[in-house]
Amino acid sequence: SQQGEEDPQALSIQEGENATMNCSYKTSINNLQWYRQNSGRGLVHLILIRSNEREKHSGRLRVTLDTSKKSSSLLITASRAADTASYFCATDTGRRALTFGSGTRLQVQP
Amino acid sequence: GAGVSQSPSNKVTEKGKDVELRCDPISGHTALYWYRQSLGQGLEFLIYFQGNSAPDKSGLPSDRFSAERTGGSVSTLTIQRTQQEDSAVYLCASSLGQGTEKLFFGSGTQLSVL
Repeated sequence: SQQGEEDPQALSIQEGENATMNCSYKTSINNLQWYRQNSGRGLVHLILIRSNEREKHSGRLRVTLDTSKKSSSLLITASRAADTASYFCATDTGRRALTFGSGTRLQVQP
Repeated sequence: GAGVSQSPSNKVTEKGKDVELRCDPISGHTALYWYRQSLGQGLEFLIYFQGNSAPDKSGLPSDRFSAERTGGSVSTLTIQRTQQEDSAVYLCASSLGQGTEKLFFGSGTQLSVL
């Protein structure tokens, strides 16, 4: 089973609204990362949060991490049509390669 | 080139044939990863190379799958006797060091087995 599971699987919002995606994981982590994928091809790294951090910001992105609940959330504020993509969380457990979740498909309606 | 390069971008093959997928990582990146993504799904880890260490092959789904990395740079993923369930996008990524911080992905190879 996946280490990271995103929720919801799909999300549709209007331009200007905020989008929130959640990620839950099972084992302890060194860090958690969020990636974006357009059109089912290469992924692009968005943001990394370490296990000793609780919140991180990057432009319109805000990531939170709750290690006691083994969960993270990604908030995209003031969404744009260009934010339409799939978003994946990935966990680094220190054992091997990053483990990716199944993703959230975000649709931003203009 | 500045990014991770994968070739071919698309490959159509017949069931039972062998295929080779190529990945050219970012220059200077010591870590290289192969993942597989089926339609609408997450990424499935296949194999991980780090410098001169023995690769982590724990994600390879069967002995039909193998990969090598020559000279610490270019990697080739080989699938022998392809099956229809091998159809997927095969993604390669590289990173600077031993940690798994910030992977840089290629655009992938879409493999279709007829």
